[in-house]
Amino acid sequence: AQKVTQAQTEISVVEKEDVTLDCVYETRDTTYYLFWYKQPPSGELVFLIRRNSFDEQNEISGRYSWNFQKSTSSFNFTITASQVVDSAVYFCALSEEGSNYQLIWGAGTKLIIKP
Amino acid sequence: DAMVIQNPRYQVTQFGKPVTLSCSQTLNHNVMYWYQQKSSQAPKLLFHYYDKDFNNEADTPDNFQSRRPNTSFCFLDIRSPGLGDAAMYLCATSRGGVGQNYQPQHFGDGTRLSIL
Repeated sequence: AQKVTQAQTEISVVEKEDVTLDCVYETRDTTYYLFWYKQPPSGELVFLIRRNSFDEQNEISGRYSWNFQKSTSSFNFTITASQVVDSAVYFCALSEEGSNYQLIWGAGTKLIIKP
Repeated sequence: DAMVIQNPRYQVTQFGKPVTLSCSQTLNHNVMYWYQQKSSQAPKLLFHYYDKDFNNEADTPDNFQSRRPNTSFCFLDIRSPGLGDAAMYLCATSRGGVGQNYQPQHFGDGTRLSIL
């Protein structure tokens, strides 16, 4: 069965520290897509990144980086030199080929960046 | 800017009194979704439209209905809101088509519904 696990319910760090948010997924499909979304306190969900199952290249976007490892079924998200504005709930999600547009969501990790 | 707009931002209704939430989009996406999100939980998909085709999730209560009169607009109707329906309701859109499951969903700001 498909599943997304974000084991870290809440993480609190001091500004400028690096922080990694973990995401582990389960799927039987060979073609699937992984997403990260950010939900700041204001409530809107913001798309951050998508990865497909055939592309294991790591991605870097400014202070954000993503590490996709099929061998461990993980798609972890690292924020370097964290800032207060990074405080939000971060969701990892999985979409399988042929899933009729349904996303399987992780429970989310609440990230608190203290000044 | 192309976007997904939800109105109102906050909605208060009485127990049992029908309420309608609205969503519009300028992205011209053919798939529109409604999610319910309760505090400290992930969004829960209620239903989605692929063009005019309505797709209801198996566990979505009958109390929740939806209408999509055209590509740009989608409505969520709650026929008889109960206290348990108090939540954030999120509308999202994405491009659809054969093999388009990889398209990201774009969300509105949400409507926070309170039940008195």
